[in-house]
Amino acid sequence: DQQVKQNSPSLSVQEGRISILNCDYTNSMFDYFLWYKKYPAEGPTFLISISSIKDKNEDGRFTVFLNKSAKHLSLHIVPSQPGDSAVYFCAASSPSGTYKYIFGTGTRLKVLA
Amino acid sequence: AAGVIQSPRHLIKEKRETATLKCYPIPRHDTVYWYQQGPGQDPQFLISFYEKMQSDKGSIPDRFSAQQFSDYHSELNMSSLELGDSALYFCASSSGLAGGYEQYFGPGTRLTVT
Repeated sequence: DQQVKQNSPSLSVQEGRISILNCDYTNSMFDYFLWYKKYPAEGPTFLISISSIKDKNEDGRFTVFLNKSAKHLSLHIVPSQPGDSAVYFCAASSPSGTYKYIFGTGTRLKVLA
Repeated sequence: AAGVIQSPRHLIKEKRETATLKCYPIPRHDTVYWYQQGPGQDPQFLISFYEKMQSDKGSIPDRFSAQQFSDYHSELNMSSLELGDSALYFCASSSGLAGGYEQYFGPGTRLTVT
């Protein structure tokens, strides 16, 4: 039972345009969400987070939006750059006392020059 | 800045052998998490430690054990290895349980069981 889903396994975007990566979750108890970027042969790199008390968090070119009623979050990258090409995972955590994250299956983003 | 260090980066073992994976957290981080990522799969939480005590347990097989030492490094011991144990094993660290919302990952150890 996949509690965190990324339904698009891959996405191609032209350099300079907006990349939108989507993530859906099923557990309404999740209260903290992360986006990670992963290059081949490297560990996931923390990108941006959002708490369930917010609906938007912005950090430079990266913005995460959270729609709690729809159990949906999205990552916007503007403008997209070739160096953004990587696999992006969203992860969710519930208030269990420890932050054992549950990951989505990942979306491979390719930014075309 | 110092990051999470994992060793070895690659490990090849045969079925029924044992393996030990090591994780050195970011300095001053006292919480360590282990994840397993099988081929084409998302990372799955295995186990975590805070201040040398197990803080949470996920889908870790009984053949695996782990501990955190006084210097906060952690080791994942895997015995009676099976082909299905072939995966990328990530360690992440954070500053305290409350800081676990931001976990910093190491580069991973790729274990291949033949």
